[in-house]
This record gives sequence, structure tokens and C-alpha cells, in this order.
Amino acid sequence: GAVVSQHPSWVICKSGTSVKIECRSLDFQATTMFWYRQFPKQSLMLMATSNEGSKATYEQGVEKDKFLINHASLTLSTLTVTSAHPEDSSFYICSARDLAGELNEQFFGPGTRLTVL
Amino acid sequence: GQNIDQPTEMTATEGAIVQINCTYQTSGFNGLFWYQQHAGEAPTFLSYNVLDGLEEKGRFSSFLSRSKGYSYLLLKELQMKDSASYLCAVMDSNYQLIWGAGTKLIIKP
Repeated sequence: GAVVSQHPSWVICKSGTSVKIECRSLDFQATTMFWYRQFPKQSLMLMATSNEGSKATYEQGVEKDKFLINHASLTLSTLTVTSAHPEDSSFYICSARDLAGELNEQFFGPGTRLTVL
Repeated sequence: GQNIDQPTEMTATEGAIVQINCTYQTSGFNGLFWYQQHAGEAPTFLSYNVLDGLEEKGRFSSFLSRSKGYSYLLLKELQMKDSASYLCAVMDSNYQLIWGAGTKLIIKP
């Protein structure tokens, strides 16, 4: 199957700093990428849908000024958590849809575990 | 509203068979996915159903009834490594995935 990478795998930062997470589709082009957040023992929560060359679409309750998304190319989307606080500590997962695929399947990156001290 | 329901937790014995159910109510339907997620890892794709019936893939099978808004994932010959959360997700009319909360499957020796 298609491969999606995420970097970094984990990050620890101080409260008030900003953290950038990269999501790359390695062997396919993805016009649409998705950013999820998952708290312990809870399901995936869609934060935003990232479309190449246009503004991201944020889900209700997600602050677009706090979670900056840039989808500058067909293989790269970035999520920047600005002025991070301890409540932002979570598992952030991106996924990408392979439009050339038959199943509309979303391929997930390995996730980034963010801990804000 | 859109809703996906699946049991929170299930327990089964190694070597046995377990069926995880999923019911859904969504705005449109473009297929139902099952994903497996081990603790601390991202989900991995298991199966996709868009037509009614049973799809078999090795030890795992997935069934769909669109008229009933119902699916199940069947796991046979359970192994300890099958201990994970199993996520049911429906793709709605906007091709967005609507996720269930997941079923934590515990396998006992």
C-alpha cells in the first residue's frame, strides 16, 4: 500500500512554544490530507482537511489560528501548533487520500506524540 | 446527525472467533472501512465494503448490510497479536470519513 510519513515521531516542548509536524505522501500524490488528534483511550477526531493550494477546512471547535495548516505541494502538508499548552498534548495523526486508488482509502502516517510541559 | 456505534470493549480467547458489530447513520454512504489500531500507533487498513455482503481476507472478514446500516468484522483463529482497537468508519456523501469510537479487543490465552 501507499506510504505516508510523519516527522517528528515525538516531541516534547515547553508551554508557549510552537511545534511543526510534517506529513508526506512518499509514493503517491495527495491533493487532500487530513489531520487528526487522538487523546488516550478515545477515537480519532478530525481536526481539519488540508487541500493542496488552498486553505484548510477546519472542523467545528478547532481554532484555525492555533493550528496552522499548510499544504504547499501534492506530497507535503504541515501542521503547526502555535503557542502550545499542556492541554494540546496529544497524538497527532495525518492521513492522505490516494486519488488514483480504487477505494478512496486513507493512508495514515505513523503519528506524532506531542507532550507540552 | 451522523453516528457510528460499536461496542467499547470485547474479550475473546486465543484461537476462537469474535465478531465486532458496527451500526451507522450517516449523510450518504460511499463505503465502510475497518481499521486496526495498536496502542500508540496509527490505524492500519483492514477492509472496505461498499456493496452488501461478505468480504473475506484471510482470517478477517467484513460484512455489510446497507439497508440495515450495519456491518461486522469477523476475526477467526484469534492470535495474541490481534489485541488492538478496531475502528469502524463510514465515508459519507462528501467523501469524509466518520469514525466510530473503536472497539478494544482483549485476547486472553
